Amino acid sequence: QQQVKQSPQSLIVQKGGISIINCAYENTAFDYFPWYQQFPGKGPALLIAIRPDVSEKKEGRFTISFNKSAKQFSLHIMDSQPGDSATYFCAASPANNLFFGTGTRLTVIP
Amino acid sequence: KAGVTQTPRYLIKTRGQQVTLSCSPISGHRSVSWYQQTPGQGLQFLFEYFSETQRNKGNFPGRFSGRQFSNSRSEMNVSTLELGDSALYLCASSLSLAGHTGELFFGEGSRLTVL
Repeated sequence: QQQVKQSPQSLIVQKGGISIINCAYENTAFDYFPWYQQFPGKGPALLIAIRPDVSEKKEGRFTISFNKSAKQFSLHIMDSQPGDSATYFCAASPANNLFFGTGTRLTVIP
Repeated sequence: KAGVTQTPRYLIKTRGQQVTLSCSPISGHRSVSWYQQTPGQGLQFLFEYFSETQRNKGNFPGRFSGRQFSNSRSEMNVSTLELGDSALYLCASSLSLAGHTGELFFGEGSRLTVL
């Protein structure tokens, strides 16, 4: 059973466009929601994270939007660049474990 | 500061064999987690060790086992390999238990191919 559902599985965006990746969860005990970025041949690396006491967190071109009532959160990449092409994983933590989504492969076309 | 080091990076085994993978965490990190990454399943949690004790275990058969040494280095072992065990095995370290902060530092993984 997948604790965190992530969509889409793959995404192709033009350079300068907005990339949006969505995740949903059921367990209300989750209280920490990080996003990881993975380039080919590398391990995932923490990109940005949010706690449920805020509805949005922005770091540069990356923004997490969090909807606690809907139990959904999303990653927005503004002005997407070819260098953003990678696999993105959302995750959720109930303080004793970390559950990952299945990943979204983002391709940004020049 | 050196990152998480995993060895070997690549290996090929045949069905029925066993394999041991090694992970050296970032200096000072006491928690080591292991994940299996496959194209369709994403990152599946195997287990987490903290101060030489297994603190969490994922939903994998008993063929998958691990341990952590006093210097925080960790090994995982897969016995009686099956074709479906072919995957990238990722190790991640953190200062405290992974779920407390969500900030894991991953190695580049060990890619296992089972023929």
